[in-house]
Amino acid sequence: GAGVSQSPSNKVTEKGKDVELRCDPISGHTALYWYRQSLGQGLEFLIYFQGNSAPDKSGLPSDRFSAERTGGSVSTLTIQRTQQEDSAVYLCASSPRDRGEKLFFGSGTQLSVL
Amino acid sequence: RKEVEQDPGPFNVPEGATVAFNCTYSNSASQSFFWYRQDCRKEPKLLMSVYSSGNEDGRFTAQLNRASQYISLLIRDSKLSDSATYLCVCSGYSTLTFGKGTMLLVSP
Repeated sequence: GAGVSQSPSNKVTEKGKDVELRCDPISGHTALYWYRQSLGQGLEFLIYFQGNSAPDKSGLPSDRFSAERTGGSVSTLTIQRTQQEDSAVYLCASSPRDRGEKLFFGSGTQLSVL
Repeated sequence: RKEVEQDPGPFNVPEGATVAFNCTYSNSASQSFFWYRQDCRKEPKLLMSVYSSGNEDGRFTAQLNRASQYISLLIRDSKLSDSATYLCVCSGYSTLTFGKGTMLLVSP
C-alpha cells in the first residue's frame, strides 16, 4: 500500500475485555514500531520489530500487552484484560531500515476503555 | 532527566513572524535527530532530519549542537498552516525517542 494502514481506526471496549489492533506497514519496510499517545501527552514507545531479529519489548507497560509480526509484515498488538488507563491512540510506524531511520506513521487506533 | 525535553508552549505568533524552538536531549550517544510535525488528532509526519552541519528546507532551518546536546528549529515567515505541534526526536537507548512537543499557533 501507499502508506501504513491501521485498523480499526476506533475501538470502544469494556474494561476487562481483550482487544487486537492491526498494523500493515509500508511494503518493503523492515522495521516496525508501536507507540501510544495519551491525550495531550507525548509518544510512548511500546515495541520494535526489525526483520527476523527478536523484538525490542522494553516499552511494553505490563504483561497484558503483547505484539507479534507475522512474515515480517503485518503486526498485531494485543491488550488483554483492558483497563481504563489503556485508553489512548495506538500508533504504528514503519521505516525502511534500522533504528535511527525516519518513521512513517499510520493514522492510529483510538482505543477507549469504558 | 527526561531523554528529550521541549518547551510545551504554546508559542503564539502573528503571520510572517520568525519563531524558534529548542529541544535538549540527554543521551550523548544519539546519532539521529529529526523534527516531526503533528496536527491536532493526526499522526506525526516527518518535517525534516537534522544534520550535524545544519540544514535548511525552504522556510525551515534545523541546527544541532552536540556539545550542548540540543537541537533547534527555526521557522521564517510563519504561515497559518504552520500551526501544529512540533516534535523533537532523537535516537535513544533503545529506539527513537520523542519529545512531548512544542505547540505553535500562528494567527492572522
